Amino acid sequence: DTGVSQNPRHKITKRGQNVTFRCDPISEHNRLYWYRQTLGQGPEFLTYFQNEAQLEKSRLLSDRFSAERPKGSFSTLEIQRTEQGDSAMYLCASSQQGETGELFFGEGSRLTVL
Amino acid sequence: AQSVAQPEDQVNVAEGNPLTVKCTYSVSGNPYLFWYVQYPNRGLQFLLKYITGDNLVKGSYGFEAEFNKSQTSFHLKKPSALVSDSALYFCAVRDVYNNNDMRFGAGTRLTVKP
Repeated sequence: DTGVSQNPRHKITKRGQNVTFRCDPISEHNRLYWYRQTLGQGPEFLTYFQNEAQLEKSRLLSDRFSAERPKGSFSTLEIQRTEQGDSAMYLCASSQQGETGELFFGEGSRLTVL
Repeated sequence: AQSVAQPEDQVNVAEGNPLTVKCTYSVSGNPYLFWYVQYPNRGLQFLLKYITGDNLVKGSYGFEAEFNKSQTSFHLKKPSALVSDSALYFCAVRDVYNNNDMRFGAGTRLTVKP
């Protein structure tokens, strides 16, 4: 299966620690998105890449969050100095270039901050 | 900015009966509308989309949706529900003038009882 892959699937950490999530999109997809989903809510947009360029960031993405897509392939999302409020499912999605394309989602990385 | 609303948190139907999951949207330009389904502990899966053309759109697993511009709605429908359709359903919109990100509703939990 060559769908979107996310690692790790589940991360438990203590408050104040740094965590990093990785996303491998579908290989021919130019666009890569990060969303955050909390229980009972829909996905909230965090940031978006077209190739290696980060074109948009949500106001939800505080200074403790950073995302990269260094070679226009895989992407990482790092959260520094984690807080309990960061506990959520972090979803990655990719799509073909163009505004009509649907998103293909990975299965998510669940973060639990103790 | 674009947004979607899913007025029902929960929809319950009996197996074999028709189902409708409601969605209304707000965009400044022409909307691109999408439906996704999420099963427990899984990522979102694309069901169908409306871009232009025929107001009735057919998608995966027998689902269809009707675009209604005057009512700014995009309701998801299925003529005969299956127990296996029980899941969380999300409506999403992308604005042609702001096409970098896709905005999701809060979701509707569909339960189909045998």
